[in-house]
Amino acid sequence: DTEVTQTPKHLVMGMTNKKSLKCEQHMGHRAMYWYKQKAKKPPELMFVYSYEKLSINESVPSRFSPECPNSSLLNLHLHALQPEDSALYLCASSLPGSSADTQYFGPGTRLTVL
Amino acid sequence: GNSVTQMEGPVTLSEEAFLTINCTYTATGYPSLFWYVQYPGEGLQLLLKATKADDKGSNKGFEATYRKETTSFHLEKGSVQVSDSAVYFCALSNTGANSKLTFGKGITLSVRP
Repeated sequence: DTEVTQTPKHLVMGMTNKKSLKCEQHMGHRAMYWYKQKAKKPPELMFVYSYEKLSINESVPSRFSPECPNSSLLNLHLHALQPEDSALYLCASSLPGSSADTQYFGPGTRLTVL
Repeated sequence: GNSVTQMEGPVTLSEEAFLTINCTYTATGYPSLFWYVQYPGEGLQLLLKATKADDKGSNKGFEATYRKETTSFHLEKGSVQVSDSAVYFCALSNTGANSKLTFGKGITLSVRP
């Protein structure tokens, strides 16, 4: 099973709202990722967690706050977003250190900021 | 640094036509190479991968061979179907902790009946 699940599927929020995106995997992967994807573009890496520790932050604005409560869960907390933050947010996971280190993606959360 | 170059799109083909999507890369060391597919309104799905030179990845009738001498990983399918209409991303990853995926720009494939 190579499934990564994400909730919610769609989210509409105002610029003053606080919301969270959730990602879950039960493949025993110890690396988890957040990506942002704009229309007709490849995904852009935001954060990487390795063994529940934040290992990469690609200079993402502080209005995005990641959290990894355990090895199966990854959250992205959103606060005071801007309309330009509207995008598809993808979660991925992988088994770090393996020869292929293949990332498996979830279906994404389509975020609209009004 | 690492980079992936994909041929310009979009590509429109008739059903049962032969497909080639070109992908070349620049990387240090010995990266792993991937093709991901994204169907409309969905996330990315791993289509196939290759981890070392001369490896051939294959899945659902698609194939790609890791060519180190030409730094290429071209995607091919002998007979496309309407259901293959999607965006295709070529990507590479260096192995090891905190490895990052480097994506190409992606190419949209439309297959008409």
